Amino acid sequence: EAEVAQSPRYKITEKSQAVAFWCDPISGHATLYWYRQILGQGPELLVQFQDESVVDDSQLPKDRFSAERLKGVDSTLKIQPAELGDSAMYLCASSPSPAGAYEQYFGPGTRLTVT
Amino acid sequence: SQKIEQNSEALNIQEGKTATLTCNYTNYSPAYLQWYRQDPGRGPVFLLLIRENEKEKRKERLKVTFDTTLKQSLFHITASQPADSATYLCALDNTDKLIFGTGTRLQVFP
Repeated sequence: EAEVAQSPRYKITEKSQAVAFWCDPISGHATLYWYRQILGQGPELLVQFQDESVVDDSQLPKDRFSAERLKGVDSTLKIQPAELGDSAMYLCASSPSPAGAYEQYFGPGTRLTVT
Repeated sequence: SQKIEQNSEALNIQEGKTATLTCNYTNYSPAYLQWYRQDPGRGPVFLLLIRENEKEKRKERLKVTFDTTLKQSLFHITASQPADSATYLCALDNTDKLIFGTGTRLQVFP
């Protein structure tokens, strides 16, 4: 069964350093999402791609976060510089379409700890 | 303001009983509502989707109801098992994106 791949699974970094996460969605899924999940809370959407285009990044802290999906397939989320408050689980998900009628398939996530 | 509320306290039930989890929302008008299961340290896994014109949806031991008048969805697990222990998230669609609740942790003990 096809799965969403993410790497790394765990990342520890010092504040002010740069960090990057990678996601490979299920083949053929046009819509890709990056979420941040703080312990005890639900996932919060950071950025949504349709193919290679950003369709929603209203909750992305653009002064330090960036995301790209250059060929409309895999995607990278970067934080520079990392801050203590960025410690969280970063989840990638994909779906065939952005509509709420479609389930989202999540990857295993990257647990980020900023020290 | 817009809110999605799920019980923040854990739900503890005995094996074999029916677990009922609640999702309430305000100032949204979702056409769809989804439920996900999340195990510790892992990504959410899709369980069920229900449309605004559907009152009830079933899948094996799972049942979801959706009351757009009360702005509430109920998620039931019948004949619960210890393996059902996890956090359950509701998510509603808002202009082609999902908004997630905070989740309810379910603990099923033998």
